Amino acid sequence: QVQLQESGPGLVKPSETLSLTCTVSGGSVSSGSYYWSWIRQPPGKGLEWIGYIYYSGSTNYNPSLKSRVTISVDTSKNQFSLKLSSVTAADTAVYYCARDPLEDQPAFDYWGQGTLVTVSS
Amino acid sequence: QSALTQPASVSGSPGQSITISCTGTSSDVGNYNLVSWYQQHPGKAPKLMIYEVSKRPSGVSNRFSGSKSGNTASLTISGLQAEDEADYYCCSYAGSSTVVVFGGGTKLTVL
Repeated sequence: QVQLQESGPGLVKPSETLSLTCTVSGGSVSSGSYYWSWIRQPPGKGLEWIGYIYYSGSTNYNPSLKSRVTISVDTSKNQFSLKLSSVTAADTAVYYCARDPLEDQPAFDYWGQGTLVTVSS
Repeated sequence: QSALTQPASVSGSPGQSITISCTGTSSDVGNYNLVSWYQQHPGKAPKLMIYEVSKRPSGVSNRFSGSKSGNTASLTISGLQAEDEADYYCCSYAGSSTVVVFGGGTKLTVL
């Protein structure tokens, strides 16, 4: 059974960089069959796709966040990571990592439990 | 403002059927048969219910079905049950630049 688990600081100061890691178990980020995505959900609001990475390192980002987002992958640790720079209160959200099958995109079939990141001084 | 438009709320009684619409444009829903639907209970991660417009993942009840006409996709839930009460989100492929867009979500209340 594939499992994803987000980890990282729950509190980030304005203007700093948010950093999260997603650890995958029961599956491999090196699989050529999936994109590995980050999705966020502000409190009480809807879902927003942030971006994805492929095992090769190729990425694609939401145009509205592209200038501030970097997603990377570490195949040796079976992890992928998110960095979001210059954060403001508007970036406060539950951040999810998810798996997305290449051929069915978008079809996020496995999700992490989510981690709340609050941007506040 | 979300890229895809969903009604804020729908409701139905146990045993009834309801349909949730998801309206996009010719750049997303209308151009690709790549629409998915997610169920989210409070405090939980979303769960994939439908992908590629009308396919159901293994383990999802056949009471859930999806369809598409033009720029609008729809999720129908038949034989409503209390446990279907949740938020539902649609999602569509939107091309190589925008890639993925979500709807704003619909709160389903089972009366």
